[in-house]
Amino acid sequence: EVQLVESGGGLVQPGGSLRLSCAASGFTFSSYAMHWVRQAPGKGLEYVSAISSNGGSTYYANSVKGRFTISRDNSKNTLYLQMGSLRAEDMAVYYCARVVAGILTGTLDYWGQGTLVTVSS
Amino acid sequence: QSALTQPASVSGSPGQSITISCTGTSSDVGGYNYVSWYQQHPGKAPKLMIYDVSKRPSGVSNRFSGSKSGNTASLTISGLQAEDEADYYCSSYTSSSYVFGTGTKVTVL
Repeated sequence: EVQLVESGGGLVQPGGSLRLSCAASGFTFSSYAMHWVRQAPGKGLEYVSAISSNGGSTYYANSVKGRFTISRDNSKNTLYLQMGSLRAEDMAVYYCARVVAGILTGTLDYWGQGTLVTVSS
Repeated sequence: QSALTQPASVSGSPGQSITISCTGTSSDVGGYNYVSWYQQHPGKAPKLMIYDVSKRPSGVSNRFSGSKSGNTASLTISGLQAEDEADYYCSSYTSSSYVFGTGTKVTVL
């Protein structure tokens, strides 16, 4: 059974940093590209970042470019999102999702349950 | 990376059919056949319902169907059931990025 479990969310002050993790199981993690998607409270889904199966290609939404870094450790079956210079508008539930086919043209077929990031002083 | 435009809400009675639109541009929806649809119940993670405009993943009811015309994609739910009440989001590839729709709340009357 495919499972994606996010962790690392919590309360952080504006300007602070946080690292999210997504532990994958039930499939060959190293064969799939992955996405991070977020959802602010009461709002819609927003694409954040994507990474290729081997980590060699990364993509970011303009809203997080230069502040967030996506990475992965295929030996640990884990996806990461390093978030820096956090702003109030970054407050959201962050989901990781598996991509089938192309990194950005593919389909997000499995999603984790999300981890909440709260940015507040 | 502007969000794709969806109606805020759509409603229907049990057994009826409803259609949710997803309007973009020639740079996203109209330019590629990479439109997906996701269903999200309150407090839950999104679930894939349709991909590549009209393909249905294994396990998804055939009451759900997708199509596209020009810059607008559509999700049709036929034989509406109470369990279909949820938020629905479209998504598309766009110029080395990815974009979601604004979301539509489906209410079963």
